[in-house]
Amino acid sequence: DIQLTQSPSTLSASVGDRVSITCRASQSITSWLAWYQHKPGKAPKLLIYKASSLQGGVPARFSGSGSGTEFTLTISSLRPDDFATYYCQNYNTYSPTFGGGTKVEI
Amino acid sequence: EVVLVESGGNVVRQGGSLRLSCAASGFSFDDYGLSWVRQVPGKGLEWVSGINWNGGSTASAESVKGRFTISRDNAKNSLYLQMNSLRTEDTAFYFCARVRNSGLSEAYDFWGQGTMVTVS
Repeated sequence: DIQLTQSPSTLSASVGDRVSITCRASQSITSWLAWYQHKPGKAPKLLIYKASSLQGGVPARFSGSGSGTEFTLTISSLRPDDFATYYCQNYNTYSPTFGGGTKVEI
Repeated sequence: EVVLVESGGNVVRQGGSLRLSCAASGFSFDDYGLSWVRQVPGKGLEWVSGINWNGGSTASAESVKGRFTISRDNAKNSLYLQMNSLRTEDTAFYFCARVRNSGLSEAYDFWGQGTMVTVS
């Protein structure tokens, strides 16, 4: 299985900050990568698919970049509602995998 | 509005069985693949099993192969996960998720809020 390593595991930030989360794959997954936001007790929310495509209804302050083995999720200006845990996911096989998560906290 | 509602979570003894259901509404159910994803409390997300639009193609994680079976009933707009030979490490929230296309290999654009399975 393809392993995804996210960094950092925890990120302390303030409202208005620009933050970036990295996801590294153990082998090339071209652009078959998604990013999700998850809050406790809620359904996970798709933010980005195919590495850089913004899911409908997701604010433009979220963006994704990268290809091959290195990917980045960037939030251009952190809002109070953005404090959550973020996961990357590889879906280029019939055995999708998730990164370990990055908790964005105040 | 797309809505996915999981049910069937419970407390069960090791070696026991449980069947989870996911009721879907707000979209053309048989146009989409579906998956089960789980999360041990305080830990990350783990894909469990997936099924294509007509049930003709399925896949499961190695950790549950031979014990869990995914299925769907398009007439009832429902997804299922039959869980047998349950282990303590299967204790988790189980989420139902819609695949962005009719197959297995795509991102998940809608998720339910999950149902808790506890194996003691």
